[in-house]
Amino acid sequence: AQKITQTQPGMFVQEKEAVTLDCTYDTSDPSYGLFWYKQPSSGEMIFLIYQGSYDQQNATEGRYSLNFQKARKSANLVISASQLGDSAMYFCAMRENTGTASKLTFGTGTRLQVTL
Amino acid sequence: DTEVTQTPKHLVMGMTNKKSLKCEQHMGHRAMYWYKQKAKKPPELMFVYSYEKLSINESVPSRFSPECPNSSLLNLHLHALQPEDSALYLCASSQGQFNSPLHFGNGTRLTVT
Repeated sequence: AQKITQTQPGMFVQEKEAVTLDCTYDTSDPSYGLFWYKQPSSGEMIFLIYQGSYDQQNATEGRYSLNFQKARKSANLVISASQLGDSAMYFCAMRENTGTASKLTFGTGTRLQVTL
Repeated sequence: DTEVTQTPKHLVMGMTNKKSLKCEQHMGHRAMYWYKQKAKKPPELMFVYSYEKLSINESVPSRFSPECPNSSLLNLHLHALQPEDSALYLCASSQGQFNSPLHFGNGTRLTVT
């Protein structure tokens, strides 16, 4: 069963606008972590933001914020004031509490294109 | 600058060749990972090392052989690969706990001819 679902294969946003990238997840583990990564065309995976399952507040990192709705099992990424350099592939990912080296499982990704 | 260093950046090899991918981190992380990423797909886990011991092997064919010589180094030995093994190979490291992010290297783009 798919553990991480990203339903938007591609998104367009105008420069300086905000955009929301959707992510839903599935787990029966009460302890888990949710992550967003950015992958530009050059290939590197850049860690953006983290949300823990027990965190009461939504995570924020600069222009990135995470809209965490635990009951809905969703963890949407909000990018404010989009910039041309934000054009990239964005992956939502999850780690479950399965031991000292739990794996990171990725969704299928959303390709974001920022336009002038 | 990435704190996980992968070499080489690009590799072209024939199906009869033997080559190795190298990964190095100096963040004191005790978990290291190999992922394979095909074009327009998410990364797929291959192997996980925890405290220099192989803890997860995602049913990877034996033509891929991982090695963790010490806590800072991770190798992936390649032998008798197939053209469909052409992909971006990403190394990552982390603290190991579920609430720690993985830090990725820039990857090695492998082409098998």
